Amino acid sequence: SQQGEEDPQALSIQEGENATMNCSYKTSINNLQWYRQNSGRGLVHLILIRSNEREKHSGRLRVTLDTSKKSSSLLITASRAADTASYFCATDELFQGGSEKLVFGKGMKLTVNP
Amino acid sequence: DGGITQSPKYLFRKEGQNVTLSCEQNLNHDAMYWYRQDPGQGLRLIYYSQIVNDFQKGDIAEGYSVSREKKESFPLTVTSAQKNPTAFYLCASSPWDRRNTIYFGEGSWLTVV
Repeated sequence: SQQGEEDPQALSIQEGENATMNCSYKTSINNLQWYRQNSGRGLVHLILIRSNEREKHSGRLRVTLDTSKKSSSLLITASRAADTASYFCATDELFQGGSEKLVFGKGMKLTVNP
Repeated sequence: DGGITQSPKYLFRKEGQNVTLSCEQNLNHDAMYWYRQDPGQGLRLIYYSQIVNDFQKGDIAEGYSVSREKKESFPLTVTSAQKNPTAFYLCASSPWDRRNTIYFGEGSWLTVV
């Protein structure tokens, strides 16, 4: 099953610019997370926002959540070449038996040019 | 250092062979997961285990098998029944009380030759 979908699928910007990525999902959620993946590496957790939160900050990251529109955005301010990576949103779904699992979107590739 | 170790990083398999990917964690996490990643497809859940000696199928379990004999270890076997096994495989774990925050290993590339 695929819950979150990132938009755009690819983004290329210059160093110092801001990068905005959007994620849309289909069903009700308890929380939404963003992960980062450098090429050929594992995913790294960036930030989690709960369904009762509207905005959250972590360093140069700003995440918003609009549950009425079933969408979230990730803003990276003052981008650096080292921010070049793929970014995934992930939402929770219930396993059979009631526990939660994460469902990942297809990812969005961000390229920050020096 | 605490973390998740996957091995090998690169593995080549001949058609008809079974191969096993190793995943070890020293984070004392209860839950462990295996994901498959194909280009442009995102991550898809193969198997997960919430406690030792118990595991459940994910969304694409056919052609794969797992075991969870120890809390620290969750090996994945890609069997010959998996028709298109070439992919990037990611192992992950999470604490029981924060199952929605997952920590990933560095991944293993499997190529069928």
